[in-house]
Amino acid sequence: DAGVIQSPRHEVTEMGQEVTLRCKPISGHDYLFWYRQTMMRGLELLIYFNNNVPIDDSGMPEDRFSAKMPNASFSTLKIQPSEPRDSAVYFCASSLRRGGADTQYFGPGTRLTVL
Amino acid sequence: AQSVTQLGSHVSVSEGALVLLRCNYSSSVPPYLFWYVQYPNQGLQLLLKYTSAATLVKGINGFEAEFKKSETSFHLTKPSAHMSDAAEYFCAVSLGFQKLVFGTGTRLLVSP
Repeated sequence: DAGVIQSPRHEVTEMGQEVTLRCKPISGHDYLFWYRQTMMRGLELLIYFNNNVPIDDSGMPEDRFSAKMPNASFSTLKIQPSEPRDSAVYFCASSLRRGGADTQYFGPGTRLTVL
Repeated sequence: AQSVTQLGSHVSVSEGALVLLRCNYSSSVPPYLFWYVQYPNQGLQLLLKYTSAATLVKGINGFEAEFKKSETSFHLTKPSAHMSDAAEYFCAVSLGFQKLVFGTGTRLLVSP
């Protein structure tokens, strides 16, 4: 079975440009998470969805960041305008709620570099 | 609020030696605890998880962890390190509602 798919794997852009990261969760999973990983701040949860509805976006750093999940098989994380401090690896993860300690399955990540 | 603390940002061992990665948790309720591994340029992968069914949890690749409530610990061990174990390891606690809080990670270095 295909795991979580993220695209692009690498993105280099210039400050001020719009960046869109994409994620396809594992089929049948009802939760989707967006994380950001940096050396300074480690792994941070940005936002997560349940059945395509945003549940907690308290980790989104500022209004320049937005995330959508138009259907069960696709989500986007958009940064507009991008800044050099947004450079990081962004991970998407998905899980299926069975109650208790549900496993999150991570994609390979998108390495974003903002010049 | 739930949180985890990983002691040691880097741990170095020789191939064949015992691996011990430390994780202490803080939780006001019985926690769900996880260990994830991240190989270079990859996403995180579940090693094992504690769900209160058994205090000693066995995971993939020969790793195991023991939940000790009295010590609020969930340390990860492996009897004999292999070169392929070199990676970053993250301890995490569930806040419920599917949300996880990760520790800062421990990079395991394995020398021949």
